[in-house]
Amino acid sequence: GAVVSQHPSWVICKSGTSVKIECRSLDFQATTMFWYRQFPKQSLMLMATSNEGSKATYEQGVEKDKFLINHASLTLSTLTVTSAHPEDSSFYICSAPRTGVQETQYFGPGTRLLVL
Amino acid sequence: GQQLNQSPQSMFIQEGEDVSMNCTSSSIFNTWLWYKQEPGEGPVLLIALYKAGELTSNGRLTAQFGITRKDSFLNISASIPSDVGIYFCAGRRMNYGGSQGNLIFGKGTKLSVKP
Repeated sequence: GAVVSQHPSWVICKSGTSVKIECRSLDFQATTMFWYRQFPKQSLMLMATSNEGSKATYEQGVEKDKFLINHASLTLSTLTVTSAHPEDSSFYICSAPRTGVQETQYFGPGTRLLVL
Repeated sequence: GQQLNQSPQSMFIQEGEDVSMNCTSSSIFNTWLWYKQEPGEGPVLLIALYKAGELTSNGRLTAQFGITRKDSFLNISASIPSDVGIYFCAGRRMNYGGSQGNLIFGKGTKLSVKP
């Protein structure tokens, strides 16, 4: 079964509004979560690393004020797309590593964002 | 960012045929993961590999961690229509200092299966 959930699965919003996407690890704690963006027919592009208890780490070229990340608890990270514009329309996917003897990274089902 | 070299980019095969795809890197990895992504969904983990030379199966899928630690392959035997999707390899290096690096993804192999 799913080990990482995302909500909502899709959202349509007007240009200028803000959209919040939640990512939850379901049966394990994750001090780190990752946010990816995927354009059609392309691979996943890492946007930022969400760190519980500290600031997120953003990849080069990703605006931290545009994509706000909050790692509220050991099972929840949120990505807020602020003042969304049509070019922000994309498929956003989170992932969380389940650590142990061997670390494995699980992905959420993704959130489709369409900004009109 | 850095990406792995994954090939082939796409495959169009007949149901029942075997499939092979691979990923190579110029860097040494300590983890290889293979994912399948269907349209509108997040990637689903298929097989995880942690040791050089490791050969792991998951049903009709078999993946191997290359001896050089710079490559991995995924085989699908006796393909069926529901195998359709995009398959991604992902690798992780150990950073200097011993911490785990971020996952690096291949560009994906799009598999189409004709019934």
